[in-house]
Amino acid sequence: SQTIHQWPATLVQPVGSPLSLECTVEGTSNPNLYWYRQAAGRGLQLLFYSVGIGQISSEVPQNLSASRPQDRQFILSSKKLLLSDSGFYLCAWSVQYGVYTFGSGTRLTVV
Amino acid sequence: AQTVTQSQPEMSVQEAETVTLSCTYDTSESNYYLFWYKQPPSRQMILVIRQEAYKQQNATENRFSVNFQKAAKSFSLKISDSQLGDTAMYFCALLSSGTYKYIFGTGTRLKVLA
Repeated sequence: SQTIHQWPATLVQPVGSPLSLECTVEGTSNPNLYWYRQAAGRGLQLLFYSVGIGQISSEVPQNLSASRPQDRQFILSSKKLLLSDSGFYLCAWSVQYGVYTFGSGTRLTVV
Repeated sequence: AQTVTQSQPEMSVQEAETVTLSCTYDTSESNYYLFWYKQPPSRQMILVIRQEAYKQQNATENRFSVNFQKAAKSFSLKISDSQLGDTAMYFCALLSSGTYKYIFGTGTRLKVLA
């Protein structure tokens, strides 16, 4: 069966510290992968998407970067976190066009 | 620019009753898809229902159905026989054909009352 793993579920990090959030997909190959951020009272905002290994498209200029070192692995990173990076981060994948499967999310609080 | 608007930040419904969540959108594309996603307190987003814009027939999934009015750019979700497990945040989303980017609304928080 197809599953998506996202971790950690909760993270508290000081300003200026690095960040690494990982997402892995099982049970499928060559998925499209996505990172979204959800702010309180707002919808989801697409941050990055990837259609293949090493292929990353950025939607929003920001303090974050993404990488796809393996077919089913998608990593969201930052060298130095800002307070404004706090939020709920969701990883998602799709094979069938337009149908996303989301991970369980990471609540990031930058203090 | 493409937009999705959900004008009802919060709604409540009695168990077993029917509720309709509103969504309007704006796009200049002719081929697109519309979705409703549910985000329960566990926070994992779950696809509820999907509608292809070229299909005139409204999509249905068990107790969930949509009223898709293409000319009016309206895409409402009807939940029949509401259950306590339907309590969640509901997001309407638009995806233009040939793109990967969902445009999400701001969500409607639905609470089903016992």
